[in-house]
Amino acid sequence: NAGVTQTPKFRVLKTGQSMTLLCAQDMNHEYMYWYRQDPGMGLRLIHYSVGEGTTAKGEVPDGYNVSRLKKQNFLLGLESAAPSQTSVYFCASEVAGGQNEQFFGPGTRLTVL
Amino acid sequence: RKEVEQDPGPFNVPEGATVAFNCTYSNSASQSFFWYRQDCRKEPKLLMSVYSSGNEDGRFTAQLNRASQYISLLIRDSKLSDSATYLCVVNSGGGYNKLIFGAGTRLAVHP
Repeated sequence: NAGVTQTPKFRVLKTGQSMTLLCAQDMNHEYMYWYRQDPGMGLRLIHYSVGEGTTAKGEVPDGYNVSRLKKQNFLLGLESAAPSQTSVYFCASEVAGGQNEQFFGPGTRLTVL
Repeated sequence: RKEVEQDPGPFNVPEGATVAFNCTYSNSASQSFFWYRQDCRKEPKLLMSVYSSGNEDGRFTAQLNRASQYISLLIRDSKLSDSATYLCVVNSGGGYNKLIFGAGTRLAVHP
């Protein structure tokens, strides 16, 4: 099992450009999450999904959109990147239930110039 | 006030030392508590869950004090491989597992 994978691993964008981060999991987990991690701060939840076709906002959703068209994939989109979105993005998945271990992908390091 | 607070460290200890990390959380409705470990430039991974009665996993012991809203992690006989950042993580309660992450405590174990 590959677990949770993320693509790309690194990306540099210019202000105003758009991009999509892909997260894939092969554990048949129902729940998936997108977080961002900034220096000196804990991981913050951007958006999450409790099942195929459903998404919801987390703590810091502004400037991001998500889609969960297939159970194994969770996409995070930046429509118009801003320097404040420079961060490390982690995807995580969890078996349904909401009280269990979250498994994280290796992260995407994004720099917006 | 942050929802989950940790001393950022770094804690610099020699091999074989015992080290303890503390964490406080603000939401008294929190029901689940965890310690995650994060190596430099890597993803977080679950180290252990924290139960009300306290629990131990080898050299690691976790304690929970609900009355004081306080969680601790004790590492005995530190190894070089224990060098990492330890994240205190608390469930916010509610209909889904919203995890609130502390900013982490950095541990450096030296020979």
